[in-house]
Amino acid sequence: DSGVTQTPKHLITATGQRVTLRCSPRSGDLSVYWYQQSLDQGLQFLIQYYNGEERAKGNILERFSAQQFPDLHSELNLSSLELGDSALYFCASSAPPVTSGTDEQFFGPGTRLTVL
Amino acid sequence: QKEVEQDPGPLSVPEGAIVSLNCTYSNSAFQYFMWYRQYSRKGPELLMYTYSSGNKEDGRFTAQVDKSSKYISLFIRDSQPSDSATYLCAMSLYSGGGADGLTFGKGTHLIIQP
Repeated sequence: DSGVTQTPKHLITATGQRVTLRCSPRSGDLSVYWYQQSLDQGLQFLIQYYNGEERAKGNILERFSAQQFPDLHSELNLSSLELGDSALYFCASSAPPVTSGTDEQFFGPGTRLTVL
Repeated sequence: QKEVEQDPGPLSVPEGAIVSLNCTYSNSAFQYFMWYRQYSRKGPELLMYTYSSGNKEDGRFTAQVDKSSKYISLFIRDSQPSDSATYLCAMSLYSGGGADGLTFGKGTHLIIQP
């Protein structure tokens, strides 16, 4: 158990809908990362937040957005869903390097999204 | 050309064998290298984290980085059936809190036959 929690575990929805995925980082971690894992693309970085602020963007679509709240949990919002958005969505967190010495990322169990 | 290339396998070896998993990369700016293990329908689990060329050993696992060749390896000694999983290499440009997500290979599916 990495200490990173994600809800829900599974989500089934229809095209055109909007969903919200939730992540709670490990205690003390300030950074939250979101990744998408699909069979054809592999594991791809979407976006990073650090202590409430957006820090880096990867291959995130404009239909997707995220935020990190004052209690450090994060939500990934996916809208106007398409069939191709079906994937595993992972959240990872890391501690401030000043406390951990590195920025190793620890992954949650993921949310499996199925768009029908 | 993808930034990180990794043979997807499957790689099937008998129990007790030494396993060699490899990745090549094209971006010479990558400085930090990781290996993750992922069991089916689970989140990736960090196995090794290195930031310099050379070898790093942890139990049955040895990570090797050759920055001049842009090539990294993971060796597993005395392989066990419980090592059967997908192994993902990952790398990043920054550490120390710099803005960075990880760039992953697609993963190698490893099967250890009892």
